[in-house]
Amino acid sequence: LAKTTQPISMDSYEGQEVNITCSHNNIATNDYITWYQQFPSQGPRFIIQGYKTKVTNEVASLFIPADRKSSTLSLPRVSLSDTAVYYCLVGGQTGANNLFFGTGTRLTVIP
Amino acid sequence: DTEVTQTPKHLVMGMTNKKSLKCEQHMGHRAMYWYKQKAKKPPELMFVYSYEKLSINESVPSRFSPECPNSSLLNLHLHALQPEDSALYLCASSLRTRGTSTDTQYFGPGTRLTVL
Repeated sequence: LAKTTQPISMDSYEGQEVNITCSHNNIATNDYITWYQQFPSQGPRFIIQGYKTKVTNEVASLFIPADRKSSTLSLPRVSLSDTAVYYCLVGGQTGANNLFFGTGTRLTVIP
Repeated sequence: DTEVTQTPKHLVMGMTNKKSLKCEQHMGHRAMYWYKQKAKKPPELMFVYSYEKLSINESVPSRFSPECPNSSLLNLHLHALQPEDSALYLCASSLRTRGTSTDTQYFGPGTRLTVL
């Protein structure tokens, strides 16, 4: 199982760029990296997914180095509504039993 | 329609009660999941259904009994629960559990369960 390690919490001011790094040293060749966002008392929401290099969508970018042992979620110009827990997951190609949530990073955006 | 719905939103039950949680999706997904989430903890996978068949049971106690009547519906039957089972129960679905790329899981809003 590819376990993930993330910082427990981060604070950022509104308007800043936030980078959350996830470590996954045991990632398998066929594993994808997926990030979810969760607000209190709600289900997690898919943000972005990637396999290598860089992926960008309308809400975030995902940077994955060549060795794929880590990944960085980048949130541009955060707002108060981005205050949430962000989870990094690794797996999927070999089945749902790989999809375990790590501890997550609690991001607090300060006005 | 990219929505997973769960009912009820909140549930309070005694330890001798029998109740059920319901989850529904109409995205044509063939994989459905139950997760349990305690406060300030990550979701923990409980069960996975693939094509209406139970494919994964993460050593969940028998007082939790899942059921998948059809490809759109997933139930979780509860009986003789303990106070420590109080948690947010999340349902999710994805196109498949296996494929040429990871299938994104779509989560419902959850059912907040309190066991007295």
